[in-house]
Amino acid sequence: KQEVTQIPAALSVPEGENLVLNCSFTDSAIYNLQWFRQDPGKGLTSLLLIQSSQREQTSGRLNASLDKSSGRSTLYIAASQPGDSATYLCAVRLGDYKLSFGAGTTVTVRA
Amino acid sequence: GAGVSQSPSNKVTEKGKDVELRCDPISGHTALYWYRQSLGQGLEFLIYFQGNSAPDKSGLPSDRFSAERTGGSVSTLTIQRTQQEDSAVYLCASSLRPTPPLNTEAFFGQGTRLTVV
Repeated sequence: KQEVTQIPAALSVPEGENLVLNCSFTDSAIYNLQWFRQDPGKGLTSLLLIQSSQREQTSGRLNASLDKSSGRSTLYIAASQPGDSATYLCAVRLGDYKLSFGAGTTVTVRA
Repeated sequence: GAGVSQSPSNKVTEKGKDVELRCDPISGHTALYWYRQSLGQGLEFLIYFQGNSAPDKSGLPSDRFSAERTGGSVSTLTIQRTQQEDSAVYLCASSLRPTPPLNTEAFFGQGTRLTVV
């Protein structure tokens, strides 16, 4: 069974600091990994999708890396802003269609 | 529509009552998923639909839970004889294609917050 772990569970930083969020998974035979953002009381917003053949993916201030062999992905958010405050979830997809989710990292960016 | 739409956004029901939750996927998306998010917990897979194939119901927690998808589009998740432990946010997602190598993103709706009192 695929286990997905996100560390830390919570993170508080001052505005302008870079954020580093970690995701690890036990089964390296993944097809892709997706990072999501969830605001309180809301659904999930897709941020980045990394295919298994890719090592990183970038969108604006967001950069996600993937190291399949070690079972790790890292989401970097540059120059954090208060609007980045949310819970960030990573999810991996194996050979079937199910996404296995981590419990998330709750980020607070202090103005 | 522009995104995955779920209704209602909030539902409060009495223990023992039945509830129906609705999901409208993105137009043209053949795959549809239901997940459950309990307070402080990660997302739990419930059920998956792909086109006209038989759904994967392996994640449904009990036989009180059922789901259908009509015409390959709208889906309804039904919970019979609700219990307090059913209280959670129920999330629906859709994607264009479900399986590799045509990897595609899953897009989620805003969820239905179910509270059983």
